[in-house]
Amino acid sequence: EPEVTQTPSHQVTQMGQEVILRCVPISNHLYFYWYRQILGQKVEFLVSFYNNEISEKSEIFDDQFSVERPDGSNFTLKIRSTKLEDSAMYFCASRPRDRVNNEQFFGPGTRLTVL
Amino acid sequence: AQKITQTQPGMFVQEKEAVTLDCTYDTSDQSYGLFWYKQPSSGEMIFLIYQGSYDEQNATEGRYSLNFQKARKSANLVISASQLGDSAMYFCAMGVNFGNEKLTFGTGTRLTIIP
Repeated sequence: EPEVTQTPSHQVTQMGQEVILRCVPISNHLYFYWYRQILGQKVEFLVSFYNNEISEKSEIFDDQFSVERPDGSNFTLKIRSTKLEDSAMYFCASRPRDRVNNEQFFGPGTRLTVL
Repeated sequence: AQKITQTQPGMFVQEKEAVTLDCTYDTSDQSYGLFWYKQPSSGEMIFLIYQGSYDEQNATEGRYSLNFQKARKSANLVISASQLGDSAMYFCAMGVNFGNEKLTFGTGTRLTIIP
């Protein structure tokens, strides 16, 4: 069964450094999402992406964040200058267009640790 | 805006017993979906079950069923014959149907199955 993949599984970085989290959504899916989960807390929406542009973003998704679908298969989340509070699990999710419900298929997550 | 409330931060249940995890929601939208995800200690998000707001019957998937009471805005997850492998965090989430709406998650319930 096709699945969403994410790399790396764990990323450690120094505060102020740029990080790029990578995701490969399921191939025929058209809607893409990033969520984050700070340790011990609930999952929070960051951004949704459709038709090569951002369709919605949360208050968390400020100018330090950006998303890109560079080659038709990868979907990336970039954090330009990481802060300590960016430490979290980051989940990528995707969804096809032809489903009645909006079930999203989640990747395994990337655990980002900012030192 | 959507809101999900899970009032049980933790539950302990004897193996083989049934367990109900509570979830209430709030939305002004008429067409929406309710989801339950399981998050084991390894961190991934595993989709369990979905209920559409217009579905007349409660959703079932194996040992999982969703007790949907639309007038009370509740979508409780029932796990029958609990197993040790059911020990995990459980998140209730909702999304508005049509378009690319984000999922809004509750704070989760940590379920521990006692042998």
